[in-house]
Parts: sequence; structure tokens; C-alpha cells
Amino acid sequence: SQQGEEDPQALSIQEGENATMNCSYKTSINNLQWYRQNSGRGLVHLILIRSNEREKHSGRLRVTLDTSKKSSSLLITASRAADTASYFCATASGGSYIPTFGRGTSLIVHP
Amino acid sequence: NAGVTQTPKFQVLKTGQSMTLQCAQDMNHNSMYWYRQDPGMGLRLIYYSASEGTTDKGEVPNGYNVSRLNKREFSLRLESAAPSQTSVYFCASSEVRGPYEQYFGPGTRLTVT
Repeated sequence: SQQGEEDPQALSIQEGENATMNCSYKTSINNLQWYRQNSGRGLVHLILIRSNEREKHSGRLRVTLDTSKKSSSLLITASRAADTASYFCATASGGSYIPTFGRGTSLIVHP
Repeated sequence: NAGVTQTPKFQVLKTGQSMTLQCAQDMNHNSMYWYRQDPGMGLRLIYYSASEGTTDKGEVPNGYNVSRLNKREFSLRLESAAPSQTSVYFCASSEVRGPYEQYFGPGTRLTVT
């Protein structure tokens, strides 16, 4: 069963715009991760945020975590065509370090 | 470093045939995982190995077996393939005590007819 659910399922934007995708989850978590998957490839880790953190940045990526709302958001600023991919959130909860993946958001960035 | 490698990249099987998917990592990670990815379903964990010599079931283990051959290698076996096992299979590895990010292989696209 999926723990995290991404929203929207699909997002289409123009190059240079910002892209925001959200992840909601059901139970308390230890940490939340975001991954990217280019078409036909394996997943690539982007960023991990721990349950006691509220915001993290990595280059053009900004992740926020609101544990009271059980939600996270991934913001990609100044998007590029190369950002076209599926983005997954993954949560680890309880005593487990193993993440559970959501169904993903498909992002298309038009040049 | 090659990271996580998987073989084969593509495979077509007939119902009832068997095959083994191979995975190897060169990052000295303790934990390894097998996932399947189906359209609209995200990734689902089949089996994992927290360390050499141990394996545990994940969310969807039925119809599969695994072997943790050594620290580097973790194989997935389909004893009698079924059309429902048509999927893309990913192997991943990570550390146990953090950082927890997983490193994924390129995947094996399996079709069972």
C-alpha cells in the first residue's frame, strides 16, 4: 500500500516557470525523500528531509515538510526542458528505514 | 564506479518459464532491494536484504524468490512466470544506518506472454 500520494498526477509548464508538486501521507514519518525518474531509467535521489526539519534546499530544488498536515512539497524553480521526468515522494515510518513510494507526478517542461 | 547494475535489460518469457534477474552494486552498501513498477502503481517492494545473509519479504513477494549471494549481489528469481509478472523490475541499494537514500539500477523490462 502506498504511504505517500503525489499531487497533481501530471503537470505541464513552460521552460522558466516554477513547478510545484505535493505529497501527502497518512502516518507519522521518520523522513521523506524525493526522487526523479527520467523515461526508461531508474530513479535518482534528489533530496531527503527529516521529520524535525521544515525546509531544505538543493540547487533549484526546495522541499518543505509540514508534519501537522502530513504533507510535503517539491518546488523546482526556473524549470528547464531537462527537468521533464516523473517525480516520486517516498516516506519511511515507524522503525523502518525502508521508504514506501507514491505513484508519482509526471512533469513535462516545454521548451 | 558503476553504481547498481542489472542484467538483462529486456526479457520476454512464456508463461511457466523461469528466469533469474541479476543485480550487483559496487558501493559497499549493506542493504539491497527489488521493486516492480507498473503503470499507475508506483514502485512496490518485492523483497529486500538488510545485510548479507538475510532476506525479507516486501509488499508483493508471491511468485518470487531471492538470493543474497554476497554483499555485492542480490538476485531475483521467477520460478514459473505468469502474465501478471509483466513489469519493470528495479534493483536498489542503500546503507542501513543513514544516509537512507536508495541508489537504483537501470531496470529490467520483463514481458510474460
